[in-house]
Amino acid sequence: DGGITQSPKYLFRKEGQNVTLSCEQNLNHDAMYWYRQDPGQGLRLIYYSQIVNDFQKGDIAEGYSVSREKKESFPLTVTSAQKNPTAFYLCASTQGPTEKLFFGSGTQLSVL
Amino acid sequence: QKEVEQNSGPLSVPEGAIASLNCTYSDRGSQSFFWYRQYSGKSPELIMFIYSNGDKEDGRFTAQLNKASQYVSLLIRDSQPSDSATYLCAVIGRGTDKLIFGTGTRLQVFP
Repeated sequence: DGGITQSPKYLFRKEGQNVTLSCEQNLNHDAMYWYRQDPGQGLRLIYYSQIVNDFQKGDIAEGYSVSREKKESFPLTVTSAQKNPTAFYLCASTQGPTEKLFFGSGTQLSVL
Repeated sequence: QKEVEQNSGPLSVPEGAIASLNCTYSDRGSQSFFWYRQYSGKSPELIMFIYSNGDKEDGRFTAQLNKASQYVSLLIRDSQPSDSATYLCAVIGRGTDKLIFGTGTRLQVFP
């Protein structure tokens, strides 16, 4: 079945540590996105990529980094510079900018 | 002013009633509008999308778009307890490829 796979489902970060969230899609979508959701809040865009080897900052990119070396993969690294990383992280993909987003099941990141 | 605004709720309606969810947006040139449903702890799923002024119906759901007034609404007819969730409005602005989400409205349907 086609879809988006995020892993892990739960992740714990120690202070000063970098952690990487995985996002893989087999939908052959060009565009991929990372969103952050805090409790009771909407989704805020962290980074997005329209094509392999290219990506753009979203509204809250500070403290995060991404790569897009393959069409299927768009990993997100939460760096130690992100002082408040606890949130629900959602990866999404779409065939085109006006098309619907397909979401992964999300990763809940917490700080130890 | 936020780009996409929604009342956070909760909006409480009895089973069988019509639930009306509203969303306003600031970019007058916005072209595409989406409603997503999100259950607690889960990822959002697309309910409706609308591009043109007027109404669009799909089963129990109707999306309404009024570009002149810059609002989009979602009507849920014959509301069921299983409709209890947070509904996110999302908009793609003119000349951009980013989907901007509102903070969502929590809907509660009680038996």
